[in-house]
Amino acid sequence: EIVLTQSPGTLSLSPGARATLSCRASQSVSSSSLAWYQQKPGQAPRLLIYGASSRATGIPDRFSGSGSGTDFTLTISRLEPEDFAVYYCQRYASGVGTFGQGSKVEIK
Amino acid sequence: EVQLVQSRVEVKKPGESLKISCKGSGFTFTDYWIAWVRQMPGKGLEWMGIIYPGDSDTRYSPAFQGQVTISADKSISTAHLQWSSLKASDTAMYYCARLSSSWYMAGYYYYMDVWGKGTSVTVSS
Repeated sequence: EIVLTQSPGTLSLSPGARATLSCRASQSVSSSSLAWYQQKPGQAPRLLIYGASSRATGIPDRFSGSGSGTDFTLTISRLEPEDFAVYYCQRYASGVGTFGQGSKVEIK
Repeated sequence: EVQLVQSRVEVKKPGESLKISCKGSGFTFTDYWIAWVRQMPGKGLEWMGIIYPGDSDTRYSPAFQGQVTISADKSISTAHLQWSSLKASDTAMYYCARLSSSWYMAGYYYYMDVWGKGTSVTVSS
């Protein structure tokens, strides 16, 4: 079973700062299977990135994804007030999905 | 509008049964896998399983196999998640989501692009 480990657990930043979130897989995974989601309190998750680096429809270009193999990154270039939330990486393959434990981006 | 509509709140006692629903609209329900995701209070997202309403092919996460039943009624574009005997530890928010795929030159991308608002399940005596 592939495990996704996200870091840091919590990132405290000011609006306008750059956020870099990491997702590490316990073994190599296909980039096509890796997605990122944003979840705000009391809301359902929202798709941000799929295929490790493709932005979903309507997602601002300040969000970008990169990586391959076991190491993937979600970058928010300049944090807007609405970006403070929890972010999850997720992998799907052959009928099975796996989520990372989440990284919280909070206002410093 | 493409959407998944879930029943919102359920309050049950331990040992009771429950079936929650997820109704799709605005897209061809039988063309997509539908996933169920659990979120316990204050915790992260957990993959429970998926179903393809077109033929009811169902896959469970090992952690949830035997604990819940996922089903679908394609005639009403609805997926279901059910328990035969609830426990207090089943208290959580349950989301359904549409699993989409798109082709690229080396294969398929897979991602959950449409989510329901979630069903809050509370199990307490």
